Amino acid sequence: NAGVTQTPKFRILKIGQSMTLQCTQDMNHNYMYWYRQDPGMGLKLIYYSVGAGITDKGEVPNGYNVSRSTTEDFPLRLELAAPSQTSVYFCASSTGVGGPANQPQHFGDGTRLSIL
Amino acid sequence: AQSVTQLGSHVSVSEGALVLLRCNYSSSVPPYLFWYVQYPNQGLQLLLKYTTGATLVKGINGFEAEFKKSETSFHLTKPSAHMSDAAEYFCAVSENTGFQKLVFGTGTRLLVSP
Repeated sequence: NAGVTQTPKFRILKIGQSMTLQCTQDMNHNYMYWYRQDPGMGLKLIYYSVGAGITDKGEVPNGYNVSRSTTEDFPLRLELAAPSQTSVYFCASSTGVGGPANQPQHFGDGTRLSIL
Repeated sequence: AQSVTQLGSHVSVSEGALVLLRCNYSSSVPPYLFWYVQYPNQGLQLLLKYTTGATLVKGINGFEAEFKKSETSFHLTKPSAHMSDAAEYFCAVSENTGFQKLVFGTGTRLLVSP
C-alpha cells in the first residue's frame, strides 16, 4: 500500500520563487490536510479539504493556496516563497466513514523545504 | 478554543524503565484525544486514541494512555522502554466536528539509553 505520497522530499527555493508540493493518496479518503511542522512548535494546519472541489483555510493559510480537483490529489502551492515558509510540510488524509472519532489521519513522509 | 500542553520537550529513560509522557488538554466540549509517534524523517503514525467509553486505552507497541477528565489529562505510558521507542511523540485533541480537525501539542522527544 502506497498510502499518502508526497513529492518532492527535499527542495531549496530562492526568495520570491514559486512551487507546488504534491500530495496523492490511494485510499479513497474524502478528507485531506496540509500541515507545517516547525521545530518545537508541533504541527499547524494550513488548509484542508472535505472532498473534491471543496477546500477551506486552517490555522496558518497565509502565503499558500490549494486545490482539490480529484479525490486522490491535494497540491499545495507557494506563490512567492519567503524565509518564514522554511519548514517541513506534511500531507495527511482520513476517511469520512464512521464519524470523526474513527478517522485516524494517515500522514505522508513530508517535504523538507528551505527558502534562502 | 482547544489547546494541548505537553510537559517536557525531551524525556530520557533507560532501556527497561517506565515511560511516562505527559499531556494536558483544554476543550470546551468532550474531546477526542490522540497520541501520534514520529520516527526520524517520517510522517506521524497513530499510537492510540480515546473517543468514548473505557478511559484506559491501549495502543500499538505496548503503549497505553488514561483519560482523566477531572485532571484534563491524557498521559502516555509504557511499562518497559525499548530502544526502538526512541522517537517524537505528539498529543492531539479534536472536537466532534464534521471531520477530524486536530490541534497538536508541541511534542516530546523520547530518548532511550542502553
